[in-house]
Amino acid sequence: DGGITQSPKYLFRKEGQNVTLSCEQNLNHDAMYWYRQDPGQGLRLIYYSQIVNDFQKGDIAEGYSVSREKKESFPLTVTSAQKNPTAFYLCASRRDRGDYGYTFGSGTRLTVV
Amino acid sequence: GEDVEQSLFLSVREGDSSVINCTYTDSSSTYLYWYKQEPGAGLQLLTYIFSNMDMKQDQRLTVLLNKKDKHLSLRIADTQTGDSAIYFCAESIYRNDMRFGAGTRLTVKP
Repeated sequence: DGGITQSPKYLFRKEGQNVTLSCEQNLNHDAMYWYRQDPGQGLRLIYYSQIVNDFQKGDIAEGYSVSREKKESFPLTVTSAQKNPTAFYLCASRRDRGDYGYTFGSGTRLTVV
Repeated sequence: GEDVEQSLFLSVREGDSSVINCTYTDSSSTYLYWYKQEPGAGLQLLTYIFSNMDMKQDQRLTVLLNKKDKHLSLRIADTQTGDSAIYFCAESIYRNDMRFGAGTRLTVKP
């Protein structure tokens, strides 16, 4: 079955470290997205990519970086410049026709220790 | 900027109907969505409605759309304990932009 896989499910980061969150989809979707979720604040867009080798900043891109070398993969790096990285991170991809709904991964919970 | 607005909490008794309300921002929104999030999981698309519709029913779910007031609601009939989750309203203005509400936490009491 097609879907989006995020890994790891839980991730711990020490102060000053960069960490990379994985997102892989086998839905053949062109567009992919990274969201951050904090309690009571809904979803905030970090980065998105509409096509391979191209991506755009979202509302809260500072302290994050992405790459899109393959259609299936859209990894997110949380850099040491992100001062408050503890959150739940969600990856999504978008259908290219019809209602353009998003399919979400199961999320990665990142905690700074 | 403008936000998609939802009340944060709703509590109902098992077997009652639940109504979750949402006010969206853009009258040109093409599609409006309801997503469900269970604890520690991603968002699951429940249903959506095209902007030229007033109502859509899908089993226990009924979506009502009032374009004049930019108001969207989700009614869950015969609410069960398994319906306890966070429900997100979202609007899609264009292919590349989707705005989410903060989510409504639904608690179903036995």
